[in-house]
Amino acid sequence: DAGVTQSPTHLIKTRGQQVTLRCSPISGHKSVSWYQQVLGQGPQFIFQYYEKEERGRGNFPDRFSARQFPNYSSELNVNALLLGDSALYLCASSIGQGSYEQYFGPGTRLTVT
Amino acid sequence: QKEVEQNSGPLSVPEGAIASLNCTYSDRGSQSFFWYRQYSGKSPELIMFIYSNGDKEDGRFTAQLNKASQYVSLLIRDSQPSDSATYLCAFWGGGGNKLTFGTGTQLKVEL
Repeated sequence: DAGVTQSPTHLIKTRGQQVTLRCSPISGHKSVSWYQQVLGQGPQFIFQYYEKEERGRGNFPDRFSARQFPNYSSELNVNALLLGDSALYLCASSIGQGSYEQYFGPGTRLTVT
Repeated sequence: QKEVEQNSGPLSVPEGAIASLNCTYSDRGSQSFFWYRQYSGKSPELIMFIYSNGDKEDGRFTAQLNKASQYVSLLIRDSQPSDSATYLCAFWGGGGNKLTFGTGTQLKVEL
């Protein structure tokens, strides 16, 4: 079975631009969560989506938004990019909304110049 | 107080030894605890989860949970060089439907 997939793998953007990251969960999983990981730190929670609805939001500015589609895939959008947005963006898939095991995709490495 | 405390390391152990990784957490209400392994430049990989007090074993890995002490640990028996990685401790909670992670402990298994 395929695991969590994310695209693109790497991305280089300029300050002020907008970016869209994509994620497809494990087949049968209905929840997708997004995390940001900067070097030397653990992943920081951005959003959780379950059944196409936002179920949780971390301490990130409104420049960050996301959505989940009927096939449970998800997109994370970041507007007005800042240098500090450079990080590894991780998508995690789980069966349901609660405290189930979360499985990460390979991540998207975003560099903002 | 940080929500999850881990010693950043590096923790160096010889090949074949037992590696012991420790983690404390602040949320007394949390019921679910996870250990992820992360190789340099890669994404975290779930290796253990534990929900009940006591020990849980899976192959060379044993997770130990003590909710009264708010302490969770990971033991790796017969450590191999391929175990060299950063190990992230996480719990479900910390305000919302999310995993809250520590900063990770770097493990080095030396030949």
